[in-house]
Amino acid sequence: AQSVTQPDIHITVSEGASLELRCNYSYGATPYLFWYVQSPGQGLQLLLKYFSGDTLVQGIKGFEAEFKRSQSSFNLRKPSVHWSDAAEYFCAVVPLGGSYIPTFGRGTSLIVHP
Amino acid sequence: EAGVAQSPRYKIIEKRQSVAFWCNPISGHATLYWYQQILGQGPKLLIQFQNNGVVDDSQLPKDRFSAERLKGVDSTLKIQPAKLEDSAVYLCASSPSGTPTGELFFGEGSRLTVL
Repeated sequence: AQSVTQPDIHITVSEGASLELRCNYSYGATPYLFWYVQSPGQGLQLLLKYFSGDTLVQGIKGFEAEFKRSQSSFNLRKPSVHWSDAAEYFCAVVPLGGSYIPTFGRGTSLIVHP
Repeated sequence: EAGVAQSPRYKIIEKRQSVAFWCNPISGHATLYWYQQILGQGPKLLIQFQNNGVVDDSQLPKDRFSAERLKGVDSTLKIQPAKLEDSAVYLCASSPSGTPTGELFFGEGSRLTVL
């Protein structure tokens, strides 16, 4: 069955530390891949997206993600986390063809310690 | 450019009552989505419109949920009668016309509490 998995419900890091949030998907062909961020009481904001080409994708707010076909993964990274990065992060996949409807993972809550 | 507008931001109702949420997408965006986000979960699609036509409503509980986008612009999502398990944030999103990519622009959501 097609699915998107974010294995970590919560991640806690210290301010200034590096961050990696995991996302794995199970689809027949490589889908389009997205990361969104949701701050408390807000809607989702796009951080970055992957359609094809270079497997390392740069996004807003200093985030990047790497697509690894062999591992069916699209992990989000940031070299140095700021307190304002505390939020919920969602990975989303869009199967090619059809209606291009995104399916979201359950999210990872990022907690940043000062 | 104005973003996706949603109202009300918050609503508290008793079970079996009705509620309606409104969404105005980004100007020119032909595709509109309603997602339900239950606490601790990712957003789940309820319905997708392309202009004023329904593309996918397979996960919409049609015995109590309805949605319309009569003029292909703004949209209303209604719940009648509400159940306790409908407590969630209802997110509206839109996407541009042209080649679809699945990239969505979200509103701030409407938080529903059913008592």
